[in-house]
Amino acid sequence: KNEVEQSPQNLTAQEGEFITINCSYSVGISALHWLQQHPGGGIVSLFMLSSGKKKHGRLIATINIQEKHSSLHITASHPRDSAVYICAVQASGSRLTFGEGTQLTVNP
Amino acid sequence: GAVVSQHPSRVICKSGTSVKIECRSLDFQATTMFWYRQFPKQSLMLMATSNEGSKATYEQGVEKDKFLINHASLTLSTLTVTSAHPEDSSFYICSAQRGPTLDTQYFGPGTRLTVL
Repeated sequence: KNEVEQSPQNLTAQEGEFITINCSYSVGISALHWLQQHPGGGIVSLFMLSSGKKKHGRLIATINIQEKHSSLHITASHPRDSAVYICAVQASGSRLTFGEGTQLTVNP
Repeated sequence: GAVVSQHPSRVICKSGTSVKIECRSLDFQATTMFWYRQFPKQSLMLMATSNEGSKATYEQGVEKDKFLINHASLTLSTLTVTSAHPEDSSFYICSAQRGPTLDTQYFGPGTRLTVL
Protein backbone atom coordinates (compact mmCIF):
# COMPACT_ATOMS: atom_id res chain seq x y z
CA LYS A 1 0.00 0.00 0.00
CA ASN A 2 1.38 3.41 -0.98
CA GLU A 3 1.91 5.98 1.75
CA VAL A 4 -0.11 8.45 -0.33
CA GLU A 5 -3.22 7.39 -2.21
CA GLN A 6 -5.23 9.57 -4.53
CA SER A 7 -8.69 9.09 -5.98
CA PRO A 8 -9.89 9.06 -8.59
CA GLN A 9 -7.00 8.20 -10.89
CA ASN A 10 -8.84 9.71 -13.85
CA LEU A 11 -11.64 12.24 -13.89
CA THR A 12 -13.56 13.69 -16.82
CA ALA A 13 -15.89 16.62 -16.25
CA GLN A 14 -17.92 19.11 -18.23
CA GLU A 15 -17.00 22.76 -18.11
CA GLY A 16 -18.60 24.43 -15.11
CA GLU A 17 -18.78 21.34 -12.92
CA PHE A 18 -17.56 21.23 -9.33
CA ILE A 19 -14.63 18.84 -9.00
CA THR A 20 -13.20 17.03 -5.98
CA ILE A 21 -9.95 15.10 -5.84
CA ASN A 22 -9.12 13.14 -2.71
CA CYS A 23 -5.85 12.25 -1.01
CA SER A 24 -5.33 9.85 1.89
CA TYR A 25 -2.04 9.22 3.61
CA SER A 26 -0.82 6.77 6.19
CA VAL A 27 2.02 8.57 7.97
CA GLY A 28 2.25 11.50 10.33
CA ILE A 29 3.01 14.64 8.38
CA SER A 30 4.17 18.18 8.91
CA ALA A 31 2.58 19.48 5.69
CA LEU A 32 0.66 18.37 2.61
CA HIS A 33 1.13 19.84 -0.85
CA TRP A 34 -1.14 19.95 -3.87
CA LEU A 35 0.70 20.28 -7.19
CA GLN A 36 -0.49 20.73 -10.76
CA GLN A 37 1.41 19.18 -13.68
CA HIS A 38 0.54 20.28 -17.20
CA PRO A 39 1.00 18.09 -20.31
CA GLY A 40 4.40 19.64 -21.02
CA GLY A 41 5.56 18.37 -17.65
CA GLY A 42 6.04 21.60 -15.73
CA ILE A 43 4.84 21.54 -12.15
CA VAL A 44 3.17 24.34 -10.22
CA SER A 45 2.72 24.30 -6.49
CA LEU A 46 -0.92 25.07 -5.69
CA PHE A 47 -1.14 24.74 -1.92
CA MET A 48 0.84 23.79 1.13
CA LEU A 49 -1.38 22.89 4.10
CA SER A 50 -0.80 21.82 7.63
CA SER A 51 -4.34 22.33 8.92
CA GLY A 52 -7.76 23.63 7.97
CA LYS A 53 -8.53 25.10 4.59
CA LYS A 54 -6.96 27.36 1.96
CA LYS A 55 -8.50 29.07 -1.05
CA HIS A 56 -6.93 30.56 -4.17
CA GLY A 57 -9.41 31.76 -6.75
CA ARG A 58 -11.49 28.77 -7.84
CA LEU A 59 -9.32 26.27 -5.98
CA ILE A 60 -9.96 25.16 -2.41
CA ALA A 61 -7.87 22.71 -0.42
CA THR A 62 -8.86 21.18 2.89
CA ILE A 63 -7.10 18.84 5.27
CA ASN A 64 -8.24 16.71 8.19
CA ILE A 65 -5.16 15.75 10.16
CA GLN A 66 -7.02 13.29 12.44
CA GLU A 67 -8.45 11.40 9.48
CA LYS A 68 -5.25 11.75 7.42
CA HIS A 69 -7.21 13.04 4.46
CA SER A 70 -7.13 16.04 2.16
CA SER A 71 -9.34 17.21 -0.68
CA LEU A 72 -8.75 19.56 -3.57
CA HIS A 73 -11.87 21.23 -4.97
CA ILE A 74 -12.20 23.15 -8.21
CA THR A 75 -15.29 25.30 -8.60
CA ALA A 76 -16.68 26.29 -12.03
CA SER A 77 -14.16 24.06 -13.82
CA HIS A 78 -12.70 25.14 -17.13
CA PRO A 79 -10.86 23.25 -19.91
CA ARG A 80 -7.66 25.04 -18.91
CA ASP A 81 -7.87 23.21 -15.56
CA SER A 82 -7.10 19.97 -17.43
CA ALA A 83 -3.89 18.64 -15.91
CA VAL A 84 -2.53 16.03 -13.53
CA TYR A 85 -3.09 16.97 -9.90
CA ILE A 86 -0.61 15.50 -7.45
CA CYS A 87 -0.84 15.22 -3.69
CA ALA A 88 2.46 15.10 -1.80
CA VAL A 89 3.11 14.76 1.91
CA GLN A 90 6.03 16.06 3.90
CA ALA A 91 6.66 13.77 6.86
CA SER A 92 9.93 15.05 8.25
CA GLY A 93 12.56 17.37 6.91
CA SER A 94 11.91 18.59 3.40
CA ARG A 95 11.42 15.23 1.73
CA LEU A 96 8.15 14.86 -0.21
CA THR A 97 6.32 11.60 -0.88
CA PHE A 98 4.04 11.80 -3.89
CA GLY A 99 0.73 10.26 -4.80
CA GLU A 100 0.31 8.83 -8.27
CA GLY A 101 -1.70 11.78 -9.47
CA THR A 102 -5.18 12.37 -10.79
CA GLN A 103 -5.59 13.06 -14.50
CA LEU A 104 -8.33 15.67 -14.87
CA THR A 105 -9.92 16.41 -18.24
CA VAL A 106 -12.47 19.18 -18.46
CA ASN A 107 -14.44 19.19 -21.69
CA PRO A 108 -15.97 22.37 -23.15
CA GLY B 1 6.22 34.09 -7.39
CA ALA B 2 9.55 32.33 -7.27
CA VAL B 3 10.87 31.06 -10.60
CA VAL B 4 13.03 28.02 -11.21
CA SER B 5 14.49 27.31 -14.64
CA GLN B 6 16.04 24.19 -16.11
CA HIS B 7 18.31 23.84 -19.09
CA PRO B 8 18.09 22.14 -21.47
CA SER B 9 14.39 21.40 -21.74
CA ARG B 10 15.04 18.44 -24.03
CA VAL B 11 18.17 16.49 -24.81
CA ILE B 12 18.85 13.48 -26.99
CA CYS B 13 22.19 11.76 -26.62
CA LYS B 14 23.99 8.57 -27.62
CA SER B 15 24.49 5.74 -25.18
CA GLY B 16 27.72 6.15 -23.23
CA THR B 17 27.84 9.92 -23.28
CA SER B 18 27.36 12.23 -20.31
CA VAL B 19 24.64 14.85 -20.03
CA LYS B 20 24.54 17.87 -17.72
CA ILE B 21 21.25 19.43 -16.63
CA GLU B 22 21.19 22.83 -14.92
CA CYS B 23 18.66 24.03 -12.37
CA ARG B 24 18.59 27.71 -11.46
CA SER B 25 16.52 29.73 -9.01
CA LEU B 26 16.09 32.99 -10.89
CA ASP B 27 14.78 35.39 -8.29
CA PHE B 28 15.63 33.86 -4.94
CA GLN B 29 18.44 32.07 -3.15
CA ALA B 30 17.79 28.38 -2.62
CA THR B 31 19.35 26.77 0.42
CA THR B 32 18.15 23.36 -0.73
CA MET B 33 17.55 21.91 -4.18
CA PHE B 34 15.95 18.59 -5.03
CA TRP B 35 16.27 16.36 -8.08
CA TYR B 36 13.40 14.11 -9.14
CA ARG B 37 12.90 11.60 -11.92
CA GLN B 38 9.56 10.77 -13.47
CA PHE B 39 8.85 7.85 -15.80
CA PRO B 40 5.79 7.94 -18.08
CA LYS B 41 2.48 7.61 -16.25
CA GLN B 42 4.30 7.45 -12.91
CA SER B 43 4.74 9.84 -10.06
CA LEU B 44 7.86 11.77 -9.20
CA MET B 45 10.64 9.92 -7.42
CA LEU B 46 13.15 11.84 -5.35
CA MET B 47 16.71 11.12 -6.45
CA ALA B 48 18.72 13.38 -4.20
CA THR B 49 18.70 16.44 -1.99
CA SER B 50 21.47 18.99 -2.19
CA ASN B 51 22.44 21.88 0.00
CA GLU B 52 24.75 24.60 -1.24
CA GLY B 53 28.37 23.86 -0.57
CA SER B 54 27.87 20.33 0.74
CA LYS B 55 27.58 16.85 -0.71
CA ALA B 56 24.22 15.71 -1.96
CA THR B 57 22.18 13.16 -0.06
CA TYR B 58 21.07 10.40 -2.39
CA GLU B 59 17.96 8.26 -2.02
CA GLN B 60 18.34 4.52 -1.67
CA GLY B 61 18.94 2.87 -5.01
CA VAL B 62 20.26 5.99 -6.75
CA GLU B 63 23.88 5.59 -7.84
CA LYS B 64 25.86 8.63 -6.74
CA ASP B 65 28.65 7.91 -9.23
CA LYS B 66 26.18 7.80 -12.08
CA PHE B 67 24.12 10.85 -11.13
CA LEU B 68 26.59 13.53 -10.11
CA ILE B 69 25.08 16.51 -8.34
CA ASN B 70 26.87 19.79 -7.77
CA HIS B 71 25.30 22.65 -5.84
CA ALA B 72 28.00 25.26 -6.22
CA SER B 73 25.96 28.35 -5.42
CA LEU B 74 22.68 29.38 -3.83
CA THR B 75 21.11 29.75 -7.28
CA LEU B 76 22.53 26.83 -9.27
CA SER B 77 22.54 23.06 -9.00
CA THR B 78 23.61 20.68 -11.75
CA LEU B 79 22.81 17.02 -12.37
CA THR B 80 25.19 15.10 -14.61
CA VAL B 81 24.06 11.74 -15.91
CA THR B 82 27.33 9.93 -16.62
CA SER B 83 27.68 7.18 -19.23
CA ALA B 84 23.99 7.41 -20.02
CA HIS B 85 22.08 4.33 -21.12
CA PRO B 86 18.62 3.98 -22.67
CA GLU B 87 17.15 3.06 -19.29
CA ASP B 88 18.17 6.51 -18.02
CA SER B 89 15.71 8.06 -20.46
CA SER B 90 13.24 9.91 -18.30
CA PHE B 91 11.86 13.30 -17.29
CA TYR B 92 14.14 14.99 -14.74
CA ILE B 93 12.69 17.76 -12.58
CA CYS B 94 14.40 19.95 -10.03
CA SER B 95 12.86 21.98 -7.24
CA ALA B 96 14.29 24.67 -5.00
CA GLN B 97 13.45 25.69 -1.49
CA ARG B 98 14.23 29.09 -0.09
CA GLY B 99 14.77 28.43 3.54
CA PRO B 100 13.12 26.59 6.39
CA THR B 101 11.99 23.01 6.08
CA LEU B 102 8.31 23.91 5.84
CA ASP B 103 8.85 26.40 3.02
CA THR B 104 7.27 25.71 -0.37
CA GLN B 105 9.29 23.88 -3.00
CA TYR B 106 9.32 25.66 -6.37
CA PHE B 107 9.58 23.30 -9.31
CA GLY B 108 11.46 23.72 -12.54
CA PRO B 109 9.86 22.95 -15.93
CA GLY B 110 11.73 19.67 -16.30
CA THR B 111 14.20 18.17 -18.76
CA ARG B 112 13.24 15.34 -21.09
CA LEU B 113 16.26 13.07 -21.58
CA THR B 114 16.27 10.50 -24.37
CA VAL B 115 19.25 8.16 -24.63
CA LEU B 116 19.55 6.33 -27.94
